[in-house]
Amino acid sequence: EVQLVESGGGLVQPGGSLRLSCAASGFTFSGSWMTWVRQAPGKGLEWVGYIKPDGSEKSYVDSVKGRFTISRDNARDSLFLEMNSLRAEDSAVYYCAKLDWNSLNYWGQGTLVTVSS
Amino acid sequence: DVVMTQSPLSLPVTLGQPASISCRSSQSLVHSDRNTYLTWFQQRPGQSPRRLIYKISNRDSGVPDRFSGSGSGTDFTLKISRVEAEDVGVYYCMQATHWPYTFGQGTKVEIK
Repeated sequence: EVQLVESGGGLVQPGGSLRLSCAASGFTFSGSWMTWVRQAPGKGLEWVGYIKPDGSEKSYVDSVKGRFTISRDNARDSLFLEMNSLRAEDSAVYYCAKLDWNSLNYWGQGTLVTVSS
Repeated sequence: DVVMTQSPLSLPVTLGQPASISCRSSQSLVHSDRNTYLTWFQQRPGQSPRRLIYKISNRDSGVPDRFSGSGSGTDFTLKISRVEAEDVGVYYCMQATHWPYTFGQGTKVEIK
């Protein structure tokens, strides 16, 4: 059974940093494209970015470019999202999801990030 | 960026009746590899999104056959042949042909 379990969310002050993790199991993580998607409270879904299986290619939406970094550790079946210079508008539930055939076939339960003073 | 426009944004439906959600893209979603990467997701209250349909019309395993997807180019539709109580939630379309990939605003399906 495919499982994606996010962790690391919490309350952080504007300008602060946070590192999210996603533990994967039930599939060949090292061969999978992975993504982060976020959802502000009561709002719709927004892509954050994706990472290639070997980590050699990453892409981000403009709103997080230069502030967020996606990485992975294939030996530990883990995906990460390093978030710096956080803003109030970054407050959201962050989901990791598996990208398959240019679609998201599995999602985690999400972890909530709140940016507030 | 490709803008995905869903309509309606709110859809009250009677149990057992059909429902239809439209999703239009601001440019063609036909990829250079000839695939059209249009996906539909369901998000029930308090849950993570769940994929229902990918590449316009391919239903995921475990998804009831009352859900169907159709369309081409820039115009796509999700249909529910007979709405059941468990179908309540928000439905999103998503394009993954052009980066950045983008979602529609969501359509909230509720029971009348």
